[in-house]
Amino acid sequence: RKEVEQDPGPFNVPEGATVAFNCTYSNSASQSFFWYRQDCRKEPKLLMSVYSSGNEDGRFTAQLNRASQYISLLIRDSKLSDSATYLCVVTQPKRSSYDKVIFGPGTSLSVIP
Amino acid sequence: DAGVIQSPRHEVTEMGQEVTLRCKPISGHDYLFWYRQTMMRGLELLIYFNNNVPIDDSGMPEDRFSAKMPNASFSTLKIQPSEPRDSAVYFCASSSRYRRSSNTGELFFGEGSRLTVL
Repeated sequence: RKEVEQDPGPFNVPEGATVAFNCTYSNSASQSFFWYRQDCRKEPKLLMSVYSSGNEDGRFTAQLNRASQYISLLIRDSKLSDSATYLCVVTQPKRSSYDKVIFGPGTSLSVIP
Repeated sequence: DAGVIQSPRHEVTEMGQEVTLRCKPISGHDYLFWYRQTMMRGLELLIYFNNNVPIDDSGMPEDRFSAKMPNASFSTLKIQPSEPRDSAVYFCASSSRYRRSSNTGELFFGEGSRLTVL
């Protein structure tokens, strides 16, 4: 089983739609969670951290369920500019004090006019 | 502010040739990461450094790959000899706060070096 798995996509949604991405991780000791966004042929950039209590940033809501080892990202009122690949990121503790950062394979979103 | 700077942006080379990719992290960042991205395998961590010291190189594919960080402002990833399966986008990223804590630092990526090995 892969360490971080995501919906394969692609997701094609009309403008204004609400879309949700899921991510599961295999290591229950994982500590920190993030969503990164990667535009076509560009570098990944941090979209938002994911906190245990859930958090919201404008149209974006991230949630974490540690018991199910599951992370989600909800995008409301989709814009054309939201079209990108969304990467789920998990950190795992190692024997040293440095965590291992693992990127999921990403889910592609296309918002259609 | 200057971000992470990578060079070259694009490189096309023939199998067997040596390839050197370069990275200048954001000034003041003490962590540096090398990632490789392909359609098949996604984004894979190759190696990362803290204060110029390699911490984890378990992701380096094989002995043909090597990475160095001679000082805080420069790192190289070398492939010798290169093979067609090394074709990928290689990203360098840096961070100023990464040690295990509840606030793992954000990774700032360069624009990547797109390598094609014929």
